[in-house]
Amino acid sequence: KQEVTQIPAALSVPEGENLVLNCSFTDSAIYNLQWFRQDPGKGLTSLLLIQSSQREQTSGRLNASLDKSSGRSTLYIAASQPGDSATYLCAVFFYNQGGKLIFGQGTELSVKP
Amino acid sequence: NAGVTQTPKFRILKIGQSMTLQCTQDMNHNYMYWYRQDPGMGLKLIYYSVGAGITDKGEVPNGYNVSRSTTEDFPLRLELAAPSQTSVYFCASSYPIGQGFSYEQYFGPGTRLTVT
Repeated sequence: KQEVTQIPAALSVPEGENLVLNCSFTDSAIYNLQWFRQDPGKGLTSLLLIQSSQREQTSGRLNASLDKSSGRSTLYIAASQPGDSATYLCAVFFYNQGGKLIFGQGTELSVKP
Repeated sequence: NAGVTQTPKFRILKIGQSMTLQCTQDMNHNYMYWYRQDPGMGLKLIYYSVGAGITDKGEVPNGYNVSRSTTEDFPLRLELAAPSQTSVYFCASSYPIGQGFSYEQYFGPGTRLTVT
């Protein structure tokens, strides 16, 4: 069964810290991996998408990496701010899934002032 | 573009009632999806569609029905609502990027449903 796992489930850091969120997946046969942000009571906002042929993508203070062979992706957030507090979800588009994304459970990030 | 829109935003149903959650996208995306998200949990796929006239079951389809008569609309029907269907429902659509098979998903704002 193709699965996506995110560890830790929750993370609390002081403002200004650099941090890494982890995502692992069970099958290296993927088309792409997408990172989302979800604020409480809100929908999902796409942050970064990494295609299977890419190793990383960057947007502002965010950098996402992809290592298909080890089944891992990381989301690096530089100089964290209280406004970064949210739940971060990783989702993978596997081969043979008919266009379906498989989601991890998310990491709830809290950045303390 | 308005993106993916969902109505209603909130709804309270009594056990046994029925309702339709509406989802519309104006980006001409072929793929559309319905997910549910229970408190503290990730997203679970209910149904999805790869184009008008084509739908398929996801992970948790029981108690739901869908139709896709147009590219833009993908309504989700709840028949005989049960407390277990209390959840937040998200509609999404996706399009292919690049020259491969990568698809980027866009989400609607969600519908918060309570069944009592």
